[in-house]
Amino acid sequence: SQQGEEDPQALSIQEGENATMNCSYKTSINNLQWYRQNSGRGLVHLILIRSNEREKHSGRLRVTLDTSKKSSSLLITASRAADTASYFCATDKGRDYKLSFGAGTTVTVRA
Amino acid sequence: NAGVTQTPKFQVLKTGQSMTLQCAQDMNHNSMYWYRQDPGMGLRLIYYSASEGTTDKGEVPNGYNVSRLNKREFSLRLESAAPSQTSVYFCASSGVAGALLEQFFGPGTRLTVL
Repeated sequence: SQQGEEDPQALSIQEGENATMNCSYKTSINNLQWYRQNSGRGLVHLILIRSNEREKHSGRLRVTLDTSKKSSSLLITASRAADTASYFCATDKGRDYKLSFGAGTTVTVRA
Repeated sequence: NAGVTQTPKFQVLKTGQSMTLQCAQDMNHNSMYWYRQDPGMGLRLIYYSASEGTTDKGEVPNGYNVSRLNKREFSLRLESAAPSQTSVYFCASSGVAGALLEQFFGPGTRLTVL
């Protein structure tokens, strides 16, 4: 069964606005990653946050992790049309580097 | 560098036919993975190979077999295709020291089983 669940399933925003999506997971993890998938393409790694970290930034991306609530959020600031994609969280338990993916949030950025 | 390549890009099979999906990576990664993605769902792990010479089952291995041919190549075989195997298949690799967990994905193979 899939470990992560993203919320919302879909999000539509205006260019320049911020987009926030959440990921909840069921069991303890070692690390959590976020990936982006453009329509019809493979996934691209965005950012990794370790279980002992609470917040991480990369460019316009901000990821938070709350292990007590078993949840993470991904914030994309000042969104652009090119940010239109599906976003997936993925978790691992550290033993064998296998990732468990959520079902994803589809983000549409309107011009 | 080509990264992760997959062949074919598209395939249509009839129920009961067999086929092999090919995957190769040129990043000297140790680990390779096969996933399937169904509409509205995330990726589910079929099989993985943590290192050359080893393979292990993932979440949904039934109906599939794999071969880690060498460090670069990891193939996925459907021995007797079923309509339930209609999906998009992604190969991924990872395993550079210091970045063991980031996975690099191929472009996918879109498989339809009639």
